[in-house]
Amino acid sequence: NAGVTQTPKFQVLKTGQSMTLQCAQDMNHEYMSWYRQDPGMGLRLIHYSVGAGITDQGEVPNGYNVSRSTTEDFPLRLLSAAPSQTSVYFCASRVSPAFQAFFGQGTRLTVV
Amino acid sequence: ELKVEQNPLFLSMQEGKNYTIYCNYSTTSDRLYWYRQDPGKSLESLFVLLSNGAVKQEGRLMASLDTKARLSTLHITAAVHDLSATYFCGCDMRFGAGTRLTVKP
Repeated sequence: NAGVTQTPKFQVLKTGQSMTLQCAQDMNHEYMSWYRQDPGMGLRLIHYSVGAGITDQGEVPNGYNVSRSTTEDFPLRLLSAAPSQTSVYFCASRVSPAFQAFFGQGTRLTVV
Repeated sequence: ELKVEQNPLFLSMQEGKNYTIYCNYSTTSDRLYWYRQDPGKSLESLFVLLSNGAVKQEGRLMASLDTKARLSTLHITAAVHDLSATYFCGCDMRFGAGTRLTVKP
């Protein structure tokens, strides 16, 4: 049982480049979300989705886009990477917002 | 907007000592979660607290929930080195800043 799978695990980007962080879950969860983790700031919600075709902004959405074409996949797109987006990114899925989250392994992104 | 606040953010303990981590949240949710994160790893679920007065225990960790006070606690009893990690509380889709626990021999 794979759970939540994120790729890649590590990535280095140059300022201005774009990329997509992939997230897939096999638990048939409706709710999926993206977080970034920065020292001393915990996990901050970037975007989330309540089902295929439905997405919404979290606390820190600027510079990121998401889409949800299937229940399984929830990619996060960085449109034009900036050094401030250097962080560890986690994808999570859950049955509903009030249920525990299952996390992917994380993507460590460095923007130079 | 829901806010989740943890304290302390850093905790250095001697082995064998007891301590409590506090988690305050700002909504009327009756569910709260605790997670553990080891360095360089993802978050793993520790406890799910589903109602007012809920108490869960596993080993040297015990979590409780007071929905009226909007407060959850994670109590550590007779700490051991293996408990060194960062602990997060979560409510709905929000998380606290985390408590980095270091247990020293």
